[in-house]
Amino acid sequence: DAKTTQPTSMDCAEGRAANLPCNHSTISGNEYVYWYRQIHSQGPQYIIHGLKNNETNEMASLIITEDRKSSTLILPHATLRDTAVYYCIVRVDLNFGNEKLTFGTGTRLTIIP
Amino acid sequence: EAGVAQSPRYKIIEKRQSVAFWCNPISGHATLYWYQQILGQGPKLLIQFQNNGVVDDSQLPKDRFSAERLKGVDSTLKIQPAKLEDSAVYLCASSLDGMRGRDGYTFGSGTRLTVV
Repeated sequence: DAKTTQPTSMDCAEGRAANLPCNHSTISGNEYVYWYRQIHSQGPQYIIHGLKNNETNEMASLIITEDRKSSTLILPHATLRDTAVYYCIVRVDLNFGNEKLTFGTGTRLTIIP
Repeated sequence: EAGVAQSPRYKIIEKRQSVAFWCNPISGHATLYWYQQILGQGPKLLIQFQNNGVVDDSQLPKDRFSAERLKGVDSTLKIQPAKLEDSAVYLCASSLDGMRGRDGYTFGSGTRLTVV
């Protein structure tokens, strides 16, 4: 079962920052938070991941609370192409250091012109 | 870098027929995953390979689904016989070595299966 809770849907005005919340209250100390997004008719696309520090890359920023029980994905200047389903995932460990990603139902983000 | 290739892109079959999907991961990626995504849901992991060995197939319906990765590169996923509830998008993904801290998986565009 997915270990995260996300709102079902959100809207954001084009050009504004989109802030997508995620709760992961049962996260373990050595589990990472991953974010993926899925644009219609495509496979999921990796966005960003983090452990406890805030992270930023060319796509987004990830803010993780100090207790690590929640995080927020920030798209700084949303465009229409950011309309997608966004998945917040806590990575589950298997043996040999391999991991598997367990997807929930995600947040459907709609960017409004 | 070429992405994860999947074929066919679409497939329509009748129930009780057989179907096979093919996946070519990114060159050098040791770990390969097959996911099933039913409409309106997130992807669900069916099977994970590390090179040509199975790491996790706990959610694969083994009475009708099978998968192989004989030479540790390409993989095929087969359904025999198909049921109506198998209608879904079948996604293949690969990662460099599945180790902690890597950038994550790269997914293919998937095969959309419709069983009628």
